[in-house]
Amino acid sequence: GAVVSQHPSRVICKSGTSVKIECRSLDFQATTMFWYRQFPKKSLMLMATSNEGSKATYEQGVEKDKFLINHASLTLSTLTVTSAHPEDSSFYICSANGGLAYNEQFFGPGTRLTVL
Amino acid sequence: GEDVEQSLFLSVREGDSSVINCTYTDSSSTYLYWYKQEPGAGLQLLTYIFSNMDMKQDQRLTVLLNKKDKHLSLRIADTQTGDSAIYFCAESITKQGGKLIFGQGTELSVKP
Repeated sequence: GAVVSQHPSRVICKSGTSVKIECRSLDFQATTMFWYRQFPKKSLMLMATSNEGSKATYEQGVEKDKFLINHASLTLSTLTVTSAHPEDSSFYICSANGGLAYNEQFFGPGTRLTVL
Repeated sequence: GEDVEQSLFLSVREGDSSVINCTYTDSSSTYLYWYKQEPGAGLQLLTYIFSNMDMKQDQRLTVLLNKKDKHLSLRIADTQTGDSAIYFCAESITKQGGKLIFGQGTELSVKP
């Protein structure tokens, strides 16, 4: 099946710094990538949808200047949490579909962000 | 608006059947999904059902869809300790592989 990776798997940073999370489709071309945020014991909240080569579409209530999304190639999307604060601590999960993997979203393993 | 609801916890004994329920509000849902999430990991697609189907069976998994009541269930036969995880139902109203709306997740605990 299609494989999606995320890097890093865990990151701890100081308040005020920026953190970049990468999402890669390893064996298919991901025309669309999705970024989710998950709080402990909670559901996944869709943050934004990005299509390769165009600007991301953010869900209501998600600050686009805070969570910068870039989808510059068919195998890579990045989420940058700018000027991170403790309330940004969360589990961030990406998913992707496209090409032969068009009919479902394939999820990455997630990135645990802790802001001190 | 779109909303998906699940009960939060379910506890069963090993070997019993588990039934996880889900209700959704958007009648234009096209596909409905069940995902499994183990601790600290991403989501694994277990199965999905198209909205014009009533039932789908895949080995130990049976999905039942009552479109009139907007109710979806996942039955796991002969539940094993390895089935302990959080199970999410999700709906897509656009297309297969499109935007997903997730329920809160049901934590399944399987006791030996």
